[in-house]
Amino acid sequence: QVQLVQSGAEVKKPGASVKVSCKVSGYTLTELSMHWVRQAPGKGLEWMGGFDPEDGETIYAQKFQGRVTMTEDTSTDTAYMELSSLRSEDTAVYYCATLGPGAAFDIWGQGTMVTVSS
Amino acid sequence: QSALTQPASVSGSPGQSITISCTGTSSDVGGYNYVSWYQQHPGKAPKLMIYEVSNRPSGVPDRFSGSKSGNTASLTISGLQAEDEADYYCSSYTSSSTLYVFGTGTKVTVL
Repeated sequence: QVQLVQSGAEVKKPGASVKVSCKVSGYTLTELSMHWVRQAPGKGLEWMGGFDPEDGETIYAQKFQGRVTMTEDTSTDTAYMELSSLRSEDTAVYYCATLGPGAAFDIWGQGTMVTVSS
Repeated sequence: QSALTQPASVSGSPGQSITISCTGTSSDVGGYNYVSWYQQHPGKAPKLMIYEVSNRPSGVPDRFSGSKSGNTASLTISGLQAEDEADYYCSSYTSSSTLYVFGTGTKVTVL
């Protein structure tokens, strides 16, 4: 059974970068298609990007292109999401989630709260 | 890519049935059978309840069912229970460069 464990909460200043990790257990990262979804306080879910198994590439939502980088360390089965040039609007809970059958996000990490404040 | 449209809130009494709609376009909901639904309790991560329009993952009660007609998908909860009180989000694969889009979310209240 797949489990995703994310890194702890972060507080960053505007303009800084944050890197959130997502450790996989129960499977190897190469067997999974990892994605990232965020949720601002009191708001809905927003897809940021992830690995597209159709073409074997990482795809980013247009909104985040140029600011987000998603990487994987297969030696430790850990996925990373780095967001740069942070602004207050990036304050949110960031989730990693695996893409399962039917293009649904079937397993979710517990979430990482990122607060951007001066 | 705009978010899929859901009603802000839906309520029902225990034992009743409720239906949540999720309206998109022919580029997402109407164009693919890749519609999924998620339940989210306060302070918790979302949980997959329905995938591919109407399939339930193992462990999800059969009180939850999904369907689609044209550009609108629906989630029905039959025999509403207190623990069903939560936020619900739909999601769809899209033909746009933003591959996946979520709905605006619906708060379900059990009266």
